[in-house]
Amino acid sequence: DQQVKQNSPSLSVQEGRISILNCDYTNSMFDYFLWYKKYPAEGPTFLISISSIKDKNEDGRFTVFLNKSAKHLSLHIVPSQPGDSAVYFCAAFGGGNQFYFGTGTSLTVIP
Amino acid sequence: EPEVTQTPSHQVTQMGQEVILRCVPISNHLYFYWYRQILGQKVEFLVSFYNNEISEKSEIFDDQFSVERPDGSNFTLKIRSTKLEDSAMYFCASSGLGIEQFFGPGTRLTVL
Repeated sequence: DQQVKQNSPSLSVQEGRISILNCDYTNSMFDYFLWYKKYPAEGPTFLISISSIKDKNEDGRFTVFLNKSAKHLSLHIVPSQPGDSAVYFCAAFGGGNQFYFGTGTSLTVIP
Repeated sequence: EPEVTQTPSHQVTQMGQEVILRCVPISNHLYFYWYRQILGQKVEFLVSFYNNEISEKSEIFDDQFSVERPDGSNFTLKIRSTKLEDSAMYFCASSGLGIEQFFGPGTRLTVL
């Protein structure tokens, strides 16, 4: 049962443009969402999070939007930089100690 | 900056052998986790550990798996009798009072 889905396995964007990564979830009990970035041969690195009481959280070039009615969140990166090329995972948390991860989207930023 | 460390970075073992994967969480963190990622698949939760006991585990974490915090700094994952399908990257993570989990670089386990 895949409770968190990232339907786009890959995304290519020109440097300087906006990258939009999407994530859908099925469990309405999730109340906290996170985005992680992962480079090859490294562990996931926390990027940005959002609580279910908000619909937007911004940190520098990164903004996460949450649409609870659609059970959808997205990560916007603007402007995109070549160093942003990595796999991005969304994760959801609904109490307990368990995170549910999506399958990841591989972002390539083309110089 | 404090970080989670894991050893070894790559472990090769024969099917049926026992392996122990080691992690040193961030020193003031209270919650510890193991995840795995089979090649090309999603990161999957295995187990969480708090106050010297398992607080939650997934259906993947069956009797062949065990975790231990033997000395207050290390956090280990033991796989008693490895199977081919245990080949994966295993990530340790820790968290403090906040929800954000900090991940180690992973151990690549190859079962032959």
